[in-house]
This record gives sequence, C-alpha cells and structure tokens, in this order.
Amino acid sequence: NAGVTQTPKFQVLKTGQSMTLQCAQDMNHNSMYWYRQDPGMGLRLIYYSASEGTTDKGEVPNGYNVSRLNKREFSLRLESAAPSQTSVYFCASSVVTSGRYEQYFGPGTRLTVT
Amino acid sequence: DQQVKQNSPSLSVQEGRISILNCDYTNSMFDYFLWYKKYPAEGPTFLISISSIKDKNEDGRFTVFLNKSAKHLSLHIVPSQPGDSAVYFCANSGGSNYKLTFGKGTLLTVNP
Repeated sequence: NAGVTQTPKFQVLKTGQSMTLQCAQDMNHNSMYWYRQDPGMGLRLIYYSASEGTTDKGEVPNGYNVSRLNKREFSLRLESAAPSQTSVYFCASSVVTSGRYEQYFGPGTRLTVT
Repeated sequence: DQQVKQNSPSLSVQEGRISILNCDYTNSMFDYFLWYKKYPAEGPTFLISISSIKDKNEDGRFTVFLNKSAKHLSLHIVPSQPGDSAVYFCANSGGSNYKLTFGKGTLLTVNP
C-alpha cells in the first residue's frame, strides 16, 4: 500500500514550457486534490476532484489544468510555465468514514521555472 | 481574508513537556478540523482530526480541543519528543467536497 505517489520529484522548466505532474493513490478514495506550497504560506488548493469524472477549481487555479483519468489518477498540467509557478506541488486524496475525515498527501514535486 | 490563522510562527519546548499549538478560525461553517505535521522536503503527514460536533479527540500522545464559542482549536502533544520537531498546520473543511483551508503553520522545536 503506497498511499499517494507523485512523479516527478523534481523538475526544472524554462518559461513557456509545458509539463504534467502525475499523481496516483491506491486507497480507493473518491476525492483527490492538488495544492501548492510557497515559502511562508500554508498549502493552497489549485484544483480538486470530488469523484471520478468531475473536477473543480480551488483557490489558485489560473495557469493550470487537471485531468481525473480514473479513480486512482489525477494529473496537473502547466501549459505555459511561468516563474510565478515555481513552488512545491502536493497531491492528496481523502476519505470520510464513521464520522472521521482524513486527507493524505503525497511526497511533493519541487518545480522551478526559470 | 484568511479563514484559518496560526498566530504563533514558532514554539520551543523541552523534551518531555507539553506542546500546545493553537489555531483560530473565522468561518463557523465547517465539518472537520485536521492537524498535519510536515518535515522539510516531505509531504504533510496527517495527525488527527475532529468533527464539528465534538469538543475533544484523542489519539495517543495527540489531543485536539475544539472551542466553538471562541472559534479556537488547539493540539496538545504530551510528552513532547525531539522527533516531533516539525512545522504543524491546522486546516478546516467546510462546504461540499471537503476542501481544506490551511493555516500558515507553526514551527515546533523540541529540545533534548
């Protein structure tokens, strides 16, 4: 049981390049999320997917697109990277059972845009 | 408008003593509060959550207290250990789809 996995771990892009961050979870969770974390800030929600086939914008969606490929996988795409997108990106999945809510995070992707 | 506030950027505690991390919130419409621990270069690790209908939840060394009238949440760690040194985030989940809103974090240092 790997939990939430993300690839790649590190990436350097030039301004204007595109890339896709991959995320997968093996916990059979319905909901998945993409966050970014910047220095001195908490995590901010970019996009989320409440269930397979649905996606919605979070707090900071501009410059990003997402795809919920199936129940396991949720990818984040940067079509034209900008230096302001230099950040650490975290994917997460969540479950609510028996009155408990738990959200689990992947190890993160550290992205630098030059 | 920050909905979840962690007003102490850092806290230093001696090993074996109690660590108390605090969180204030402005939005009363939430279902759950969660606490996370984060080490550098790692993803946040889920510690404990509490639903809005409770005022206390306990799991091992971790206890979370919720004071709805004061809109205040605290995490108690007893006894504190050097391995607890990390940044702690509180987050609340309100509305549909259980989206989380995070505070900016508190750096806890537990000194041997």
